[in-house]
Amino acid sequence: DAGVIQSPRHEVTEMGQEVTLRCKPISGHNSLFWYRQTMMRGLELLIYFNNNVPIDDSGMPEDRFSAKMPNASFSTLKIQPSEPRDSAVYFCAVLKSNPGTGELFFGEGSRLTVL
Amino acid sequence: QQQVKQSPQSLIVQKGGISIINCAYENTAFDYFPWYQQFPGKGPALLIAIRPDVSEKKEGRFTISFNKSAKQFSLHIMDSQPGDSATYFCAFRTGGGADGLTFGKGTHLIIQP
Repeated sequence: DAGVIQSPRHEVTEMGQEVTLRCKPISGHNSLFWYRQTMMRGLELLIYFNNNVPIDDSGMPEDRFSAKMPNASFSTLKIQPSEPRDSAVYFCAVLKSNPGTGELFFGEGSRLTVL
Repeated sequence: QQQVKQSPQSLIVQKGGISIINCAYENTAFDYFPWYQQFPGKGPALLIAIRPDVSEKKEGRFTISFNKSAKQFSLHIMDSQPGDSATYFCAFRTGGGADGLTFGKGTHLIIQP
């Protein structure tokens, strides 16, 4: 059964610091997505991977943001340097590969606060 | 640019009433229209979904109504319960689905006991 574990659940950091958010999808997927949620902008797609390959990163707001997926079981989203406007909840989600229902399974999110 | 407009932003309904949330879209290439439900501190989770070849889909107290000509779809929650209090998102995707979903801005629903 597809599931997603994100860490840390909460992160408070100071402006200028590097932030790394982690995602561990459990199994049964071939696509992984990073979303950002804010009150003003809702849920925004930042980047997604198919078979561990980045396909579309047009949603990544700036060069300060980068994402990697070294294998099917792990992905990271890095912000360097962080800014107060990056404060948001970041979600990782996966799409089941077979059968392809189209359903996205989300993790519980990483709440980032940049002071 | 905003490809889907969700309304209302917030909604208060009395217990036992009907909650209605609407979404209007622009791109006729969309082939899948799900609704996601999100509780505080949790990620969104699929509630119910419809494809454009069907005008209505019902699952328990939840119904999606789809109007292809008007490019609108709506979520109806019958006999609304306090446990339905959550944020609801409409979403859409274009063909294939491997490129994920685009979400509406969300509706914060409160069911008053």
